[in-house]
Amino acid sequence: AQTVTQSQPEMSVQEAETVTLSCTYDTSESDYYLFWYKQPPSRQMILVIRQEAYKQQNATENRFSVNFQKAAKSFSLKISDSQLGDAAMYFCAYRKGDSNYQLIWGAGTKLIIKP
Amino acid sequence: NAGVTQTPKFQVLKTGQSMTLQCAQDMNHNSMYWYRQDPGMGLRLIYYSASEGTTDKGEVPNGYNVSRLNKREFSLRLESAAPSQTSVYFCASTRDPLTGELFFGEGSRLTVL
Repeated sequence: AQTVTQSQPEMSVQEAETVTLSCTYDTSESDYYLFWYKQPPSRQMILVIRQEAYKQQNATENRFSVNFQKAAKSFSLKISDSQLGDAAMYFCAYRKGDSNYQLIWGAGTKLIIKP
Repeated sequence: NAGVTQTPKFQVLKTGQSMTLQCAQDMNHNSMYWYRQDPGMGLRLIYYSASEGTTDKGEVPNGYNVSRLNKREFSLRLESAAPSQTSVYFCASTRDPLTGELFFGEGSRLTVL
């Protein structure tokens, strides 16, 4: 069965600095999708970034980028120039390429931004 | 700009009571989901609906029922609430289930005493 592990329950970073959140996953599939979602204190979850496993190029969305290491089954999220609004729970999630609904979620990492 | 709307936001029940969580989306999405979120765990899928009139069990369906009333609305019912169902419940929808971009409601915190 697929699993997603986020080994850092909590991380903190100084405002304007860079932080990396870790995610590893276990799968025997070759075709899949990986996601990072952000859940701010208001609780509404929003998509931060998405990576297709067949793409070698790491996804980037403004200050957010991923380091996707397929062989190592690692999918870390880098946040550059951290801002106070980045404070949230961050969840890593996995979906099989042929699945139309089953997302497997990590337990989350709480990111604290120090002013 | 409503997106996904859930009601109620908070509810306290006694063991054995029943209740329905309501969810509505105004984005014309076919696919809708109900998840629960417990401390220290990722989201777990309760039920899924690919389209109006269809529903499928997810990872943790026991103790729940769902109704896809129409394209907009997807309700979750607890027939006989148990303390183990104390959780935060999220409804979500998506235009394309394969791309994975889910749009979430703000959540409903349910406490069962």
